[in-house]
Amino acid sequence: EVQLLESGGGLVQPGGSLRLSCAASGFTFSTYAMTWVRQAPGKGLEWVSNLIISSNNTDYADSVKGRFTISRDNSKNTLYLQMNSLRAEDTAVYYCATSGDGLKNWGKGTLVTVSS
Amino acid sequence: SYELTQPPSVSVSPGQTASITCSGDKLGDKYVCWYQQKPGQSPVLVIYHDSKRPSGIPERFSGSNSGNTATLTISGTQAMDEADYYCQAWDSARVFGGGTKVTVL
Repeated sequence: EVQLLESGGGLVQPGGSLRLSCAASGFTFSTYAMTWVRQAPGKGLEWVSNLIISSNNTDYADSVKGRFTISRDNSKNTLYLQMNSLRAEDTAVYYCATSGDGLKNWGKGTLVTVSS
Repeated sequence: SYELTQPPSVSVSPGQTASITCSGDKLGDKYVCWYQQKPGQSPVLVIYHDSKRPSGIPERFSGSNSGNTATLTISGTQAMDEADYYCQAWDSARVFGGGTKVTVL
């Protein structure tokens, strides 16, 4: 069974940093592209970032470009999202998902709250 | 940047057909996915490549895409189908529609 478990969320002040992790199991993680999607409270889904197979192949939404970095450690079956210079508008539940023919498998998400 | 437009809400009676539209410039030239999200839960992929259903998704869910509009159709809608539905396509990046709340009255 495919499982994705996000962690690392929490309360952070504006301008601060957080690193989210997504632990994968039940599939060959190294062969899958991965995606981060976020959802602000009461709002819709927003794509954040893609990582194909290698950490050299990445894409970012304009809203996070230059502040967020996606990466993976295939030896640990883990996807990461390093978030710097956080803003109030980054407050959201962050989901990781497998990326292929659509976003087929999703984690339960981790809540990031940016507030002073 | 590319935009996808969905109606905010759709109401349907049990057993009837619900149609949810998603509009975007030349959307028919792109592949569209649809996701279902129930309150407090993660999204679930219900349609990919315009009209394909992942394993485990009931046959009452179908999709089409042509011109500037993609449509998710739920035939014989059940109470359990009440949820938010999001379309998604690829332009230079992955783009989501704003979501449609389906209410089964």
